[in-house]
Amino acid sequence: LAKTTQPISMDSYEGQEVNITCSHNNIATNDYITWYQQFPSQGPRFIIQGYKTKVTNEVASLFIPADRKSSTLSLPRVSLSDTAVYYCLVGDVSGGYNKLIFGAGTRLAVHP
Amino acid sequence: EAQVTQNPRYLITVTGKKLTVTCSQNMNHEYMSWYRQDPGLGLRQIYYSMNVEVTDKGDVPEGYKVSRKEKRNFPLILESPSPNQTSLYFCASRGQGDPYGYTFGSGTRLTVV
Repeated sequence: LAKTTQPISMDSYEGQEVNITCSHNNIATNDYITWYQQFPSQGPRFIIQGYKTKVTNEVASLFIPADRKSSTLSLPRVSLSDTAVYYCLVGDVSGGYNKLIFGAGTRLAVHP
Repeated sequence: EAQVTQNPRYLITVTGKKLTVTCSQNMNHEYMSWYRQDPGLGLRQIYYSMNVEVTDKGDVPEGYKVSRKEKRNFPLILESPSPNQTSLYFCASRGQGDPYGYTFGSGTRLTVV
């Protein structure tokens, strides 16, 4: 399972775009990249998942370069309620069991 | 509503008194897991199950037991709780072939005194 590296913390202000980059140099061919969000004392919540190029949903965008050794979660126009810990995970989700390995995550603080 | 339900949300118990934390999902998911979360250590997997009657150890299984007699339920059993099992516990599930990741429960905060 590929290990991921993310910044420990980030600060932003309401209305700004936030980009969190994750490094996964040893990503395997069948691995997908998945991001979760966790608020204090709540379970992690799936945000977005991708394999290559760009994925966008109502919450975020995920940018993955051609070599797939990194990915960037983009949160447009953050609000105070986006203050949370964001986890980047890589693993094979094509059908078989995959074990989630959570790193330390990135603690995002959004200020007024 | 599709969800993973854990009970209880909060529990304070004494050392050595057997307890069970229940987990139930209504999505017909094959895969279920238990995690514990501790400050500075992040989320660590305790046990997982790939289907009914199929379970295996995760990274920190010592002191825990699980069972998967029905597809929807995956209880976590602490036969003889100790203070070092004081933690925040999460149950999660995912469907086989579902590309959209795991659904987590709301958590159980356990304190062992």
